Amino acid sequence: AQSVTQPDIHITVSEGASLELRCNYSYGATPYLFWYVQSPGQGLQLLLKYFSGDTLVQGIKGFEAEFKRSQSSFNLRKPSVHWSDAAEYFCAVGLEATSGTYKYIFGTGTRLKVLA
Amino acid sequence: GAGVSQSPSNKVTEKGKDVELRCDPISGHTALYWYRQSLGQGLEFLIYFQGNSAPDKSGLPSDRFSAERTGGSVSTLTIQRTQQEDSAVYLCASSLRLAGGAMTQYFGPGTRLLVL
Repeated sequence: AQSVTQPDIHITVSEGASLELRCNYSYGATPYLFWYVQSPGQGLQLLLKYFSGDTLVQGIKGFEAEFKRSQSSFNLRKPSVHWSDAAEYFCAVGLEATSGTYKYIFGTGTRLKVLA
Repeated sequence: GAGVSQSPSNKVTEKGKDVELRCDPISGHTALYWYRQSLGQGLEFLIYFQGNSAPDKSGLPSDRFSAERTGGSVSTLTIQRTQQEDSAVYLCASSLRLAGGAMTQYFGPGTRLLVL
């Protein structure tokens, strides 16, 4: 069955430190890949997405992610974390359910805490 | 509209009562999704509407849950005879189908449901 795994439930980093959030997926083909961020009491905001092409994807707020087919991973990175980045981060895959329709599977999320 | 809107933002109800949650998608978006997010959990897919096609109801947890989408726009998620385990945030997302590919979802702020 298709699945998305975010192995880190909580991550704490100091402001200015680098960040990497892990995401692994299980799917027979190359899926469409997404990272979303959810601030407290808010809906999900798209950070970046990978559909095809360059495997290093740039997103908003200084985030980037790299698709590694051999590892079935799509890890999210940021070189220098800001206090405002504290939030919950969700990795998701888009899978073709039937011809022309797509379903999305989300990981359980990683909650990021930023220390001043 | 400018984004996906959901109402009410919060709903407190008594066990056994029916509730209706509303979602207004982005104008022109043909696809609409409902998800449930329980405390500390990822997003659980509930139902998916795509244009005039029959909805994908495979994620609905029980026959107490139903949803409709009128005129290809506004959607209502109805939960009958609510139970305490229905307490969660219900998120709606809409997307515009891209030719031959998956779609980026845009999320509303959610409805926080508490069943007493």
